[in-house]
Amino acid sequence: AQKVTQAQTEISVVEKEDVTLDCVYETRDTTYYLFWYKQPPSGELVFLIRRNSFDEQNEISGRYSWNFQKSTSSFNFTITASQVVDSAVYFCALSEARTGGFKTIFGAGTRLFVKA
Amino acid sequence: NAGVTQTPKFRVLKTGQSMTLLCAQDMNHEYMYWYRQDPGMGLRLIHYSVGEGTTAKGEVPDGYNVSRLKKQNFLLGLESAAPSQTSVYFCASSYELVASGRYYEQYFGPGTRLTVT
Repeated sequence: AQKVTQAQTEISVVEKEDVTLDCVYETRDTTYYLFWYKQPPSGELVFLIRRNSFDEQNEISGRYSWNFQKSTSSFNFTITASQVVDSAVYFCALSEARTGGFKTIFGAGTRLFVKA
Repeated sequence: NAGVTQTPKFRVLKTGQSMTLLCAQDMNHEYMYWYRQDPGMGLRLIHYSVGEGTTAKGEVPDGYNVSRLKKQNFLLGLESAAPSQTSVYFCASSYELVASGRYYEQYFGPGTRLTVT
């Protein structure tokens, strides 16, 4: 069965600190897709990144970086030099190819507070 | 290009009342989804649609019905609202995989906050 665990319910950091949001997933499928979404205080979810199971290359986009490790079933998200605008709830999600990708499972989310 | 829109934004219902939530997308997406978001539980899929005229059950379909009469619209209905349906409802849409290669990333609407008393 699919499962996504975000063990950190809330994280609070001071601006300019680095912060890592953890995501651990479970799946029996060999082909799957992992995602991170951001939900700012305005409420709308915004897509950040997608990773395919056959591509373990880490990715960096500005202050954001993602570390995908199949050996530990983890897809962690790091924000470098955090800013107040990074304050949001972040969701990790998993979609299995065998279900056609329709049944995306979301983690419970991690609420990040960045204080000035 | 408005993306995904939802109406209404807020609604208060009494137990037993019915209502319909409307989702519209202008990106010509094939797939559309309805989720509910509850504190500490992330998003859970209620129903989804892979094309005009087709719908399917998600993880938590009980108490809800959907229709996709037009490609751009996806309606979520509550026939007899219950307090357990108090939640924030999100609609989303996505490209079709084979044609776009975009691997199911979803575009979300702003949400509808529903309270059932």
